[in-house]
Amino acid sequence: DGGITQSPKYLFRKEGQNVTLSCEQNLNHDAMYWYRQDPGQGLRLIYYSQIVNDFQKGDIAEGYSVSREKKESFPLTVTSAQKNPTAFYLCASSEGGGRGFYGYTFGSGTRLTVV
Amino acid sequence: AQRVTQPEKLLSVFKGAPVELKCNYSYSGSPELFWYVQYSRQRLQLLLRHISRESIKGFTADLNKGETSFHLKKPFAQEEDSAMYYCALREYGNKLVFGAGTILRVKS
Repeated sequence: DGGITQSPKYLFRKEGQNVTLSCEQNLNHDAMYWYRQDPGQGLRLIYYSQIVNDFQKGDIAEGYSVSREKKESFPLTVTSAQKNPTAFYLCASSEGGGRGFYGYTFGSGTRLTVV
Repeated sequence: AQRVTQPEKLLSVFKGAPVELKCNYSYSGSPELFWYVQYSRQRLQLLLRHISRESIKGFTADLNKGETSFHLKKPFAQEEDSAMYYCALREYGNKLVFGAGTILRVKS
């Protein structure tokens, strides 16, 4: 059963801690993305990766970091530098390059709360 | 910068009434637009793409370049249509820019 798996579903972080959100896909998609979803603001792009070992900042990258060591995996680290990390985080993937673009497949999300 | 505007945060209609969820965009090139839907407790999923010119679950959306709009329409709303709807614009590469979303509530 192909898809994107995000874990954990819920995550609690203390002030000053770094936390890592997992995103794994078995769709053989080249491109992967991280979005943040806040009420009234829609989805805002944090980071994206078009290919393994390469990634670019999105609109709100400050306080976040990513890696793309494997095609299937695109973990997101929320660092202590992120001023307002409490949010719902969505991972997505898509075909890349010349294989056509049909939109994104999304994961089920991780809700991060700072306590 | 590319922009997607969904002017209504909440749209409430009665079952059987027509639905129109508004989406306006600004883009300097030839736009490629999408509608995504998020039902309660489900993941965000693609509803339709303008280049497919398809009708999904009775919904249609026509790209109007003159008015820079991509409104989502359905002639008769059903209770199961209640959800959050996002309009999205494809930027260079494969990045999507999303609007703020509109909650559709269909009342019985």
